[in-house]
Amino acid sequence: AQSVTQLGSHVSVSEGALVLLRCNYSSSVPPYLFWYVQYPNQGLQLLLKYTTGATLVKGINGFEAEFKKSETSFHLTKPSAHMSDAAEYFCAVIHYSGNTPLVFGKGTRLSVIA
Amino acid sequence: GAGVSQTPSNKVTEKGKYVELRCDPISGHTALYWYRQSLGQGPEFLIYFQGTGAADDSGLPNDRFFAVRPEGSVSTLKIQRTERGDSAVYLCASSFKRDNEQFFGPGTRLTVL
Repeated sequence: AQSVTQLGSHVSVSEGALVLLRCNYSSSVPPYLFWYVQYPNQGLQLLLKYTTGATLVKGINGFEAEFKKSETSFHLTKPSAHMSDAAEYFCAVIHYSGNTPLVFGKGTRLSVIA
Repeated sequence: GAGVSQTPSNKVTEKGKYVELRCDPISGHTALYWYRQSLGQGPEFLIYFQGTGAADDSGLPNDRFFAVRPEGSVSTLKIQRTERGDSAVYLCASSFKRDNEQFFGPGTRLTVL
């Protein structure tokens, strides 16, 4: 069974600083990995995903994540935080066969300080 | 085009009442998922439809919860004899068959008093 651990329920960064949100997964089969963002009172929006191929994945809004199989990690980064990045971020994993339910982490709330 | 829509956006009910939550997926998406998100938690899987049939309902917490998708499009999540612990945001998502990207609706916030 798959599981996801997000280290840090709340991360606070200054505007312009590096954003690093940590995600570790557990899966007995090759995983597909996702990062979603949730703004207040809105649904989840896909930031980026890893399925196969290049392990460094670029997403929307300047975010990227690197799949590291040896570390079972899929950390999310952005070089320079913007005020509009303040939101809840969720890491998720599914079985590689697709069309299976996503297993989410508990989320990390990102605050950006001016 | 139109995304996943969910109605109502908010539902307040009393303990013991029956509620129905509706999800209208993206046109042409054959897979439909229901998740529940409690305060401070990530979404948790409830049930998954492929077409009209429930392919996996292992996430439903008990027999008070039931979901249907009679024509392979709109789905309704039904909760009988609601309890205060059912209070959460109920999310719906849809995807193309064999596609991994799930598109989420805005959710229905259910409050059981």
